[in-house]
Amino acid sequence: AQKVTQAQTEISVVEKEDVTLDCVYETRDTTYYLFWYKQPPSGELVFLIRRNSFDEQNEISGRYSWNFQKSTSSFNFTITASQVVDSAVYFCALSEASGNTPLVFGKGTRLSVIA
Amino acid sequence: DVKVTQSSRYLVKRTGEKVFLECVQDMDHENMFWYRQDPGLGLRLIYFSYDVKMKEKGDIPEGYSVSREKKERFSLILESASTNQTSMYLCASSSGSLGGQETQYFGPGTRLLVL
Repeated sequence: AQKVTQAQTEISVVEKEDVTLDCVYETRDTTYYLFWYKQPPSGELVFLIRRNSFDEQNEISGRYSWNFQKSTSSFNFTITASQVVDSAVYFCALSEASGNTPLVFGKGTRLSVIA
Repeated sequence: DVKVTQSSRYLVKRTGEKVFLECVQDMDHENMFWYRQDPGLGLRLIYFSYDVKMKEKGDIPEGYSVSREKKERFSLILESASTNQTSMYLCASSSGSLGGQETQYFGPGTRLLVL
């Protein structure tokens, strides 16, 4: 069965610090997809990234970067030089390619960036 | 841009009332989903639909039903609302090219309070 674990329930950092949000997943499939979403205080989940299991290249988008390591079943998310606007709940999610299984979400990590 | 809209941002209902939560997407997506989000529990899948008039139970379907008469609209129905259904309800949609593995796009959510 597929499972996503976000061990960090809440993180607080001071503005301009770097912060890494951990995501560990479990799956028996060799083909799967990993996602990160951001949920700001307004409530809407905003899609950040989708990765397939065959693409292990790390990705950088501005201050955001993602480190995908199949060897440790992890898909960690780093925010560089954090800003107050980064304060949100961040969700990692997994979907297996076999069958029509929807996304399985982790329980989320609440990030607070303090000015 | 994908647009998913939900009929209400906030809703207050009384125990025993029949409640309809409506979700509409404008991207011709085949797949639609209903989740509820509760503190400490993350997102839990209630029902999903991969086609018009199709529905599949998610992880917590008890006390809910759904209707998908048109491709763009997916309704969540609480037949007889109870206080333990007080929650944030999130609707999402995705294209159907890979079944459930495509990126899901979320609406703004409905915060339902049952008194």
